[in-house]
Amino acid sequence: DAGVTQSPTHLIKTRGQQVTLRCSPKSGHDTVSWYQQALGQGPQFIFQYYEEEERQRGNFPDRFSGHQFPNYSSELNVNALLLGDSALYLCASSLVPGKETQYFGPGTRLLVL
Amino acid sequence: GNSVTQMEGPVTLSEEAFLTINCTYTATGYPSLFWYVQYPGEGLQLLLKATKADDKGSNKGFEATYRKETTSFHLEKGSVQVSDSAVYFCALSRAAGNKLTFGGGTRVLVKP
Repeated sequence: DAGVTQSPTHLIKTRGQQVTLRCSPKSGHDTVSWYQQALGQGPQFIFQYYEEEERQRGNFPDRFSGHQFPNYSSELNVNALLLGDSALYLCASSLVPGKETQYFGPGTRLLVL
Repeated sequence: GNSVTQMEGPVTLSEEAFLTINCTYTATGYPSLFWYVQYPGEGLQLLLKATKADDKGSNKGFEATYRKETTSFHLEKGSVQVSDSAVYFCALSRAAGNKLTFGGGTRVLVKP
């Protein structure tokens, strides 16, 4: 049973660029959530996708956007990168919002120079 | 809004010592409570959870009891091992599967 997978594992970008991160949920899960974890801090909720729609959103600017595909995989896009966007980006999946525990992937570490 | 406060680390212990990490929360209603663990260079792993008052979550020798009266969910382990060295996060959600609100994390270092 495959767990949550994310790609790439590491990424280096420069300020102003755009980045796309990818996530495949755990087998059988249909809900994907994204979190940002700055160094030395707890993860912060970015948004959650279910049935290909954004269902919840945290306190992040519109530069952060996402998408969910029919196979439940998801992308996180960040435009106009800032130095402060450097963080570990975690994807978590669950079975139907509100019904099951979230399981996390290994994360994508983004460094913005 | 919802928030989670946990003791700051690092917590340094000798092997076989008793570990306690304090966690208190602020939330309306009856949130579900979680402990996640993050090993160096890895993502988060669910350690244990409790979904209602007085529930005790347990896994791998770790335990935590959902205390509604003190809004707490303290993590304990009776005898730690070097392999327990990690960062531990307390978290809550209004419903399992809903968005998680995390504490700042507590780094634990167990020395042989």
